[in-house]
Amino acid sequence: DGGITQSPKYLFRKEGQNVTLSCEQNLNHDAMYWYRQDPGQGLRLIYYSQIVNDFQKGDIAEGYSVSREKKESFPLTVTSAQKNPTAFYLCAVAKNEKLFFGSGTQLSVL
Amino acid sequence: KQEVTQIPAALSVPEGENLVLNCSFTDSAIYNLQWFRQDPGKGLTSLLLIQSSQREQTSGRLNASLDKSSGRSTLYIAASQPGDSATYLCAVNQRGGADGLTFGKGTHLIIQP
Repeated sequence: DGGITQSPKYLFRKEGQNVTLSCEQNLNHDAMYWYRQDPGQGLRLIYYSQIVNDFQKGDIAEGYSVSREKKESFPLTVTSAQKNPTAFYLCAVAKNEKLFFGSGTQLSVL
Repeated sequence: KQEVTQIPAALSVPEGENLVLNCSFTDSAIYNLQWFRQDPGKGLTSLLLIQSSQREQTSGRLNASLDKSSGRSTLYIAASQPGDSATYLCAVNQRGGADGLTFGKGTHLIIQP
């Protein structure tokens, strides 16, 4: 969706390194979500935020952290505690019960 | 715990055929159900949203039905085109917010020209 920008498109992480994935939206929606997608699998919820300065853990939050300092931005940090970080990460914004997704970030381990 | 299953996992059909993708879920106490399309290396695009009180929704050549009591939904694609080639995912919502979504693994669809 043109209103949701994820960057970078590809990201490589060295062992022991923290990396941050960016998600920016100009749709003026409150609720934002981070999902992880593994090949041939459904999406799994990592973290979500329904309002600025507040966020909740999803089903697989361990090894990840987020912040929500601005309505437009919901960055995801993959920490060194996440031992299997290779996956496709998707950011989404909710409006009227529908989800609108960014184009994703592919994270790989060097 | 809600489980969502999509059958078949992959499907290849000639252009012009009508086809049906299936989605089943184990807990019928749902709020709504969504069908999404995903192109390779891209995010998901919402196709149709069916509320639990509805039986079907239509958008162009797409028709989605919902039988909540039997835990099933189908996505019907009429007169398929090569541009319909993508992965189609079903997601069931058990409460109002998107944090209540459970996704299926998807059906990978190829339309042969």
